[in-house]
Amino acid sequence: DQQVKQNSPSLSVQEGRISILNCDYTNSMFDYFLWYKKYPAEGPTFLISISSIKDKNEDGRFTVFLNKSAKHLSLHIVPSQPGDSAVYFCAARIYGGSQGNLIFGKGTKLSVKP
Amino acid sequence: EPEVTQTPSHQVTQMGQEVILRCVPISNHLYFYWYRQILGQKVEFLVSFYNNEISEKSEIFDDQFSVERPDGSNFTLKIRSTKLEDSAMYFCASSTPGSRDRNTEAFFGQGTRLTVV
Repeated sequence: DQQVKQNSPSLSVQEGRISILNCDYTNSMFDYFLWYKKYPAEGPTFLISISSIKDKNEDGRFTVFLNKSAKHLSLHIVPSQPGDSAVYFCAARIYGGSQGNLIFGKGTKLSVKP
Repeated sequence: EPEVTQTPSHQVTQMGQEVILRCVPISNHLYFYWYRQILGQKVEFLVSFYNNEISEKSEIFDDQFSVERPDGSNFTLKIRSTKLEDSAMYFCASSTPGSRDRNTEAFFGQGTRLTVV
């Protein structure tokens, strides 16, 4: 039962270029979406989030886009830096659920090459 | 910067033994969570805890699991009789209360790797 899907297990990008990580979801009751970054041997680190009432949220080099009709969100990183190399998780929360009851995707491993 | 800390970083236990994983959430946070990630699989929600009681739990969080906030700073996850399939990375997280208009994110600890042999 994959309510949150990250179909690309890995992505390789050249330094300075744009990284686009994609996430699809199936549950129309999700009202809040988050992106987390994870380095090996560390816990997930919050990156950016978006409420379902918005279609875009930007924070520095990171922008998240939400297309509710397509049940699709994406994370854009521009320009990409080698330090961005990590596993990126998309997560979603059901409306009315507790704040931390997040449903995660399987992650996409981003490699940014110098 | 405040952070969630977890101990130990790695725990090896015999099948059938009880294990307690410990967490110190961020001090002004009021919501506490446990997640797990089995190797190669996605991060899965286990339980949320607020005001000294469980507020939500997943199907994974069965009778062999329990959580406790024994004092003002620690938050623990106990597995009563460990099974081989309990081997996973366990993450503790915490967050501040969010209003309907202000969503807040969960901050994660670095995890405890539990190996059941």
